[in-house]
Amino acid sequence: EIVMTQSPATLSASPGERVTLSCRASQSFRSNLAWYQQKPGQPPRLLIYAASSRATGIPARFSGSGSGTAFTLTISSLQSEDVAIYYCQQYYDWPRTFGPGTKVEIK
Amino acid sequence: QVHLQESGPGLVKPSETLSLTCSVSNYSISSGYYWGWIRQSPGQGLEWIGSIYHRGTTYLNPSFQSRVSLAVDTSRNQISLRLTSLTAADTAKYYCVAPSGSYWNYWGQGILVTVSS
Repeated sequence: EIVMTQSPATLSASPGERVTLSCRASQSFRSNLAWYQQKPGQPPRLLIYAASSRATGIPARFSGSGSGTAFTLTISSLQSEDVAIYYCQQYYDWPRTFGPGTKVEIK
Repeated sequence: QVHLQESGPGLVKPSETLSLTCSVSNYSISSGYYWGWIRQSPGQGLEWIGSIYHRGTTYLNPSFQSRVSLAVDTSRNQISLRLTSLTAADTAKYYCVAPSGSYWNYWGQGILVTVSS
């Protein structure tokens, strides 16, 4: 199965700061990657699919990029409501697999 | 907007079988989509369990070996999950998801299942 890794495990940044989350895959694929945001007590919410396409209703400050084995989620200007855990997920192959998540905190 | 609602027991004994149901609103299952299950152990990450097409084609996570089965009930507009031979490691929040076998923008609120004697 494709193993997904994410870094850093925890990220602390100031409001308004640009933050970058990394996701790596154990094998290469073009763009079959999604990103989710999960706030405490809530189910995950789809942010990005096809590596760079924003899901419906997702603010423009969220953007995704990458292909192959390296992918990135960028929040252009961190807001307090962005405090959450962010997961990447590949859908290039079965079984579908998730990364362990990056926790984003506000300084 | 598709609405998903999981239901089932919150407590199951080890070695027993878990049966969960996902009731779908605002969409007819027979119209299409893949329907799936994902679980999240307490304080842990996400694990895809399996996905089933409305006509019955199923994809399952091999890590569950032969313990898991999915079914679609179009007459009730429901999806079901059956997981056998439960252990404490199966304690998790179980989510019903849609609309594809690839990525998911519809999630239920989840149901917490505890495996304990």
